Amino acid sequence: DAGVTQSPTHLIKTRGQQVTLRCSPKSGHDTVSWYQQALGQGPQFIFQYYEEEERQRGNFPDRFSGHQFPNYSSELNVNALLLGDSALYLCASSFPVPGLAGGIDTQYFGPGTRLTVL
Amino acid sequence: GESVGLHLPTLSVQEGDNSIINCAYSNSASDYFIWYKQESGKGPQFIIDIRSNMDKRQGQRVTVLLNKTVKHLSLQIAATQPGDSAVYFCAEPNQAGTALIFGKGTTLSVSS
Repeated sequence: DAGVTQSPTHLIKTRGQQVTLRCSPKSGHDTVSWYQQALGQGPQFIFQYYEEEERQRGNFPDRFSGHQFPNYSSELNVNALLLGDSALYLCASSFPVPGLAGGIDTQYFGPGTRLTVL
Repeated sequence: GESVGLHLPTLSVQEGDNSIINCAYSNSASDYFIWYKQESGKGPQFIIDIRSNMDKRQGQRVTVLLNKTVKHLSLQIAATQPGDSAVYFCAEPNQAGTALIFGKGTTLSVSS
């Protein structure tokens, strides 16, 4: 059973460029969340996709956008890259569990994509 | 507000010792907490979770304790091994219950 996979593993871009990161969820999961993890920090929630729509968004500018495909895989796009966008980008997949305390099922994380902006 | 934090950024122990990693939270309405382990170059890995109707939950070599009175939880690792060396995060759902809020993490170093 494949876990969450992400591509590419590493990426180097320059300021102002655009980048697309990809994620395939764990088999059977239909919800994908993206997180940004700066060096030495905990992951910060960017947004979540469910049924091909953005379900919720964290405190990130609209330079960050995403997409979910019918097979539940997802992309994260970042436009007009800034130096501060350098981070590890994590994808997590889960089942949505309405009514469960916290309303969230266990999130399984991929290995991440390390983005460096020069 | 929603925030989850940890008391100590680093913890160094000897192999075989028991480790205790602490976490404080501020939202008294929080009712679900999760501990994740993140090894170098990898994504966070689920360790154990606990709901607010429990004070203690045990897994394999790990125990999570929840003290709702002082809004504190801890992760105890028994007989710590070198493979336990990693960054440990506590996390809780946001108010919408759709995403996780992570603390900054505690780096556990195990020497043999």
